[in-house]
Amino acid sequence: KNQVEQSPQSLIILEGKNCTLQCNYTVSPFSNLRWYKQDTGRGPVSLTIMTFSENTKSNGRYTATLDADTKQSSLHITASQLSDSASYICVVRKNRDDKIIFGKGTRLHILP
Amino acid sequence: NAGVTQTPKFQVLKTGQSMTLQCAQDMNHEYMSWYRQDPGMGLRLIHYSVGAGITDQGEVPNGYNVSRSTTEDFPLRLLSAAPSQTSVYFCASSPGTTYYNEQFFGPGTRLTVL
Repeated sequence: KNQVEQSPQSLIILEGKNCTLQCNYTVSPFSNLRWYKQDTGRGPVSLTIMTFSENTKSNGRYTATLDADTKQSSLHITASQLSDSASYICVVRKNRDDKIIFGKGTRLHILP
Repeated sequence: NAGVTQTPKFQVLKTGQSMTLQCAQDMNHEYMSWYRQDPGMGLRLIHYSVGAGITDQGEVPNGYNVSRSTTEDFPLRLLSAAPSQTSVYFCASSPGTTYYNEQFFGPGTRLTVL
């Protein structure tokens, strides 16, 4: 069954600290994986896309990794800021039929 | 560009009432879709459209209708609202369906059905 599992469900860290969010998937055949950031009361916004051949990609303080062999991805946030408080959603696209499978998200709280 | 806009932002309905959630985009995107987001669940696809005049069902289409008469607009109609349709609804658009295309989401409509 095509699934996307994210952990942890929620995370609380102090401002300035680093954190890593995890995404495991069973989607096959794999096309790509996106990380979205969803602020409270807003729609998701894409942070980065990872394709099969990419191991790591950075977008400012956000760094995504992908291990296509183990079907795992992570999103690392460096030097967290209060504005990083949001839900982070992992989304995997299937090859061939282009079906998109959403994870349930990780809710990140940054405390001052 | 306004991007993807949705109206209303909030709506309360009584069971059995009907209503239309509006969605518009000004990016000339071919692909548009409607999702619902419920607590503890990932976004679920309701209906989608790959261009004007073409619509198709997603994962959870029951109780909803869509039409796509123009590239810009993609309204979602609730035929007879039920409490199970209480949710946050997001409209999204994309230049196409190829693997690298990013979806751009609207701000959402929070719907409560009493």
